[in-house]
Formats: sequence, structure tokens, C-alpha cells
Amino acid sequence: DAKTTQPTSMDCAEGRAANLPCNHSTISGNEYVYWYRQIHSQGPQYIIHGLKNNETNEMASLIITEDRKSSTLSLPHATLRDTAVYYCIVPRSYNTDKLIFGTGTRLQVFP
Amino acid sequence: DTGVSQDPRHKITKRGQNVTFRCDPISEHNRLYWYRQTLGQGPEFLTYFQNEAQLEKSRLLSDRFSAERPKGSFSTLEIQRTEQGDSAMYLCASSSQGLNNSPLHFGNGTRLTVT
Repeated sequence: DAKTTQPTSMDCAEGRAANLPCNHSTISGNEYVYWYRQIHSQGPQYIIHGLKNNETNEMASLIITEDRKSSTLSLPHATLRDTAVYYCIVPRSYNTDKLIFGTGTRLQVFP
Repeated sequence: DTGVSQDPRHKITKRGQNVTFRCDPISEHNRLYWYRQTLGQGPEFLTYFQNEAQLEKSRLLSDRFSAERPKGSFSTLEIQRTEQGDSAMYLCASSSQGLNNSPLHFGNGTRLTVT
């Protein structure tokens, strides 16, 4: 997988936006950016993925820079239940099934 | 929403014993994956199946580990002669081939403790 770099941890106040950055400077033109999260004692949960354009779903928004070397996952109104480890993954285009997880960003949402 | 089901949720075993875990994927998913996760680390890929065929195995999957998916539905992961280093969370995931960039859906894992 293309190497990704994420901050180890972040804090966010409940109700505020949580913006989680990810650097993926070695991404190739046809490789997608995926975000998963893992709440304590659960398996990872798919959040969103994108290629070039910004994407939004019921869980989050994904903003990808024009050069595609970085992206930001945005949770517009964080809740306590969003406390989790967030993983940014860029699987190789020839093997999108084999996700390689790093250590992710531990997001702590506080009251 | 049946999701990916794993059984058991927890397993405590003594070193040297054999253990087997089961994974039931989402019914229409033809791809199934096994991952392992140790404390403080992200999940590590072990192996994956397309239908009943095992397509890739990680070098992490030593000879003591074997995975099967005999009918292309549920899968089992067996660890023989367990060692303390095998203590980890074993995660199963499934997805649909043919859907572009279909995301993986994970179960909640089996936590193995080897004493």
C-alpha cells in the first residue's frame, strides 16, 4: 500500500468538527483513499473512500487535495461515540482487497 | 443486518493446545479475509479467499496456522500448538468482488489468550 502518515492522537470537543489529516504523497493516479475507524473492542468499520473529488456520506466527508498527496476526514459534529482509532489507507490499485493498516489516529472526543 | 459473525468472541487456551475459530461472512459476499491485531497495533493481513479458493497468504501465517473455506461460505482458522505469541484479536472481514472498490466489512473478532 502507498505509505500514509497520520498524527498519533487528536482531541475534539463534543459538537465541534473533527478534522483528521492524512498524508499519502506516494499515491498513484488510480489509487483510492479509504478511511476506516475502530471503536474499542470492535472490528474496523468502513467510513468512506474517494479518488479525486470530495465525497460525503452520512458518516463523514472526505476532502482530497488537488494533487492528491493528502486528505482530510471531517466529522462535522463529533459525538462521544466517535471516539475511536481512525485509519487512512491507500491500497495498491492492483490489490485493493489487501488493506494494510498503520497505527492510525486515536481521536478522543470529550464532553 | 446480519453482518459478519465470529465465534467465539473470547478464547483462553493453554500453550500447546489447538484452537479453531469460525467466521460467517455477509451472505452475498464471495470474498473473505482474516486479519490479526495485537494491542496498540492496526490489524495485520493474514489471508483471503475468493469463494473457496485461498488466493493469498501472508508470511505471518506460519505452518501452525491453517484457514479453510470449504463451501465458499463460512471459514475456519485453526492454530495448532498455540504459543503465547499467538495471543491477539483475530478479525474476519468480507466483501463483494465485482463491485468497484467494495469496502471490507469486519466482524468484532475473536480474542485469543494463550496462557
